[in-house]
Amino acid sequence: QKEVEQNSGPLSVPEGAIASLNCTYSDRGSQSFFWYRQYSGKSPELIMSIYSNGDKEDGRFTAQLNKASQYVSLLIRDSQPSDSATYLCAVKGADKLIFGTGTRLQVFP
Amino acid sequence: DTAVSQTPKYLVTQMGNDKSIKCEQNLGHDTMYWYKQDSKKFLKIMFSYNNKELIINETVPNRFSPKSPDKAHLNLHINSLELGDSAVYFCASSQVFGGQGFGYTFGSGTRLTVV
Repeated sequence: QKEVEQNSGPLSVPEGAIASLNCTYSDRGSQSFFWYRQYSGKSPELIMSIYSNGDKEDGRFTAQLNKASQYVSLLIRDSQPSDSATYLCAVKGADKLIFGTGTRLQVFP
Repeated sequence: DTAVSQTPKYLVTQMGNDKSIKCEQNLGHDTMYWYKQDSKKFLKIMFSYNNKELIINETVPNRFSPKSPDKAHLNLHINSLELGDSAVYFCASSQVFGGQGFGYTFGSGTRLTVV
């Protein structure tokens, strides 16, 4: 079992819709969770962090964490074509960030 | 001002050569990392330094040797390059090592192509 799992996609959504990206992790002791956005040919960019169970909102982005289910998600409201990118889920282990393989999101006009 | 800068951005070289990638951060972070991203976008940690001390050394061929002259710099030297070393190498830094931690700030990456 991979340490951090994501569906590779692509996830295709129409402009204005809600995009829902999911991630599961294997280490039950993990405490810190991050979402990165990576445009093609660019470096990963941190967009959200979450440490406690529940929802955390920042603009059009909402991160959701359920430690009992070992599940993290990212919701993007009012999706825009500029949101088209690969979204990487990352979980902090004892001494490093462990990344999932990413979900490619395509937002079409 | 670039927070984490890597050079070179592109590197094309022949098998068997030795090459280096340099990384510098001006964020005042204590910890720096090297990650390798393969063609399937999987980011895998290679090394981590905290205040010039090697903390993480994942299962990486010993042809790869990191060096941190000070906490703002982390270089990666690769000997006897092989075709399978072709990838994008990212340098990153973070403010806190261990504990709850913060997200990493990544450099722009070095696309290494071995021919």
